[in-house]
Amino acid sequence: ILNVEQSPQSLHVQEGDSTNFTCSFPSSNFYALHWYRWETAKSPEALFVMTLNGDEKKKGRISATLNTKEGYSYLYIKGSQPEDSATYLCAFTRGSTLGRLYFGRGTQLTVWP
Amino acid sequence: DTAVSQTPKYLVTQMGNDKSIKCEQNLGHDTMYWYKQDSKKFLKIMFSYNNKELIINETVPNRFSPKSPDKAHLNLHINSLELGDSAVYFCASTTGKVETQYFGPGTRLLVL
Repeated sequence: ILNVEQSPQSLHVQEGDSTNFTCSFPSSNFYALHWYRWETAKSPEALFVMTLNGDEKKKGRISATLNTKEGYSYLYIKGSQPEDSATYLCAFTRGSTLGRLYFGRGTQLTVWP
Repeated sequence: DTAVSQTPKYLVTQMGNDKSIKCEQNLGHDTMYWYKQDSKKFLKIMFSYNNKELIINETVPNRFSPKSPDKAHLNLHINSLELGDSAVYFCASTTGKVETQYFGPGTRLLVL
């Protein structure tokens, strides 16, 4: 069983606050780490795919970092807005089972105006 | 244009019935997936097809049978529906084994 752990499980912040969450994954046989944004009643939408240790990706106010040696990734949101409210999922791909994503349970973010 | 589409969006049916959910993608992707979102909102992979060939088959009851008539379509047929089959089923597709997966809107199945 491969455990992909995300913390915190839920997070409530005020508009304008910056926030970050963590995804932990097995560091052995790593191939790629994905972040998805999942709004209620919609389907998950891809944010980033990262493959190299030390990778940093940015999309507007959202950025992510990757540490494959210790098995974690951080997702940062700068100046949170109510429209950022969603569940943020990370998913891990192993080298031995390419094509299969192992999802975490997500961090549910609520941004209050 | 909808990239990954699923039909129906909602499905309410009686226990014991047989039903199918359809998925189509117009992205030209080779690989398609079925996921089940359980009661705790966790996404679990069920099946994956690459160019009409089954490549991932997780431990699911054999009442669930995927069918891929061509690489743009992956359907899910469920026999003898049970209460525990109630869930949201998501289809997804991708170009390659480490690329982003694009998800459909989900099919909300309720078994009464």
